[in-house]
Amino acid sequence: QVQLVESGGGVVQPGRSLRLSCAASGFTFNSYAMHWVRQAPGKGLEWVAVISYDGSNKYYADSVKGRFTLSRDNSKNTLYLQMNSLKFEDTAVYYCARDPMYWGQGTLVTVSS
Amino acid sequence: DIQMTQSPSTLSASIGDRVTITCRASQSISSWLAWYQQKPGKAPKLLIYKASSLESGVPSRFSGSGSGTEFTLTISSLQPDDFATYYCQQYNSYFTWTFGQGTKVEIK
Repeated sequence: QVQLVESGGGVVQPGRSLRLSCAASGFTFNSYAMHWVRQAPGKGLEWVAVISYDGSNKYYADSVKGRFTLSRDNSKNTLYLQMNSLKFEDTAVYYCARDPMYWGQGTLVTVSS
Repeated sequence: DIQMTQSPSTLSASIGDRVTITCRASQSISSWLAWYQQKPGKAPKLLIYKASSLESGVPSRFSGSGSGTEFTLTISSLQPDDFATYYCQQYNSYFTWTFGQGTKVEIK
């Protein structure tokens, strides 16, 4: 069955970097675009970024553009989110998702001094 | 960018009530709309996709309708397990998604 497992979250100081990973299984990873969605504590869902099936196209929310970078390794069935220049407001649970039907369980990123 | 406006933001209801949540898109999204239920500390759970298709395993008291810019999620008879926050999501654009602000369904 389809599984998406995020990892890499943790506590990080403002201005520092963190890389999230999303390991995919149960489907042909290199055939699907992949998304990241986040949810700040007590807030709603916010779409963050998407990468096309082959990595040739990437789109970002304005709130993370220029700071976050998406990549994927189709040989490893893994999606990455490189987060640089982190801000307090980036504190959230980060979910990877293939489509509305398949989401991971999320990984918590806390930006704190 | 497509904006999604969801209402109400909070809804107080009793067991057995019929509940309706509305989502409006800033431009036509055809039927590319999903509804999710979320409980504290959990990932969102898909209820409805393509505006009116019930996800496997979701109780039939949940239904979705609409197309274009106006959509509704209806719970025909509210059950104790249904007290949660609900979100709509457009996925009309292949590359970008947008979520509604959420509706918290509370016990009256």
